Amino acid sequence: QVQLVQSGAEVKKPGDSVKVSCKASGYTFTSHCIHWVRQAPGQGLQWMGMINPSRETTTYEQKLQDRVTMTWDTSTSTVYMELSSLRSDDTAVYYCARDPYYGSGSFNYFDYWGQGTMVTVSS
Amino acid sequence: EIVLTQSPGTLSLSPGERATLSCRASQSVDSDYLAWYQQKPGQAPRLLIYGVSSRATGIPDRFSGSGSGTDFTLTISRLEPEDFAMYYCQQYSSLPWTFGQGTKVDFK
Repeated sequence: QVQLVQSGAEVKKPGDSVKVSCKASGYTFTSHCIHWVRQAPGQGLQWMGMINPSRETTTYEQKLQDRVTMTWDTSTSTVYMELSSLRSDDTAVYYCARDPYYGSGSFNYFDYWGQGTMVTVSS
Repeated sequence: EIVLTQSPGTLSLSPGERATLSCRASQSVDSDYLAWYQQKPGQAPRLLIYGVSSRATGIPDRFSGSGSGTDFTLTISRLEPEDFAMYYCQQYSSLPWTFGQGTKVDFK
């Protein structure tokens, strides 16, 4: 069965960076894009960006693109999301989510989700 | 960017009742690229509907989606106790992919 297992909670100071991992299993890793979505406490969902391991490309939300880097390791089927210059309003649960498109394209909705990683930014 | 506005913010209903949730887009959502998700406290969202009206795998047929252009609806025909949750719409027609702010379905 498809599973996305994320790394554990993080506490960071303003200005720090954080790197969250997402290990995929139960499907062919290179055949599906992975997206990152975050949710601030009590708030809605914000799409952050995506990786396409088949085309070896990334696409970032414009407002975050100066601070976010998404990478992947095909040998371990793991995707990473690094966010730098953290601010208090980056405090959120960060989710990875799979795109259901099989192949080198993407549909850009999300059929399987990780369990979420809480990132707290506080001085 | 396409802004999605969901209404109402909260829907207070009883089990067995019909729920009608609205999602309005600030500009046309092309090719019916609209999805709905359910989220319960402490859990990740779950895909319910994609392509406006296609149910995701394992989703019961009491959930249905409709609409086109800028106005979309999620209908739950008869609420079951497990349906009381937050619901989000999402457009994937135009970057950046965006979500509505959510509608909470709670017990009357």
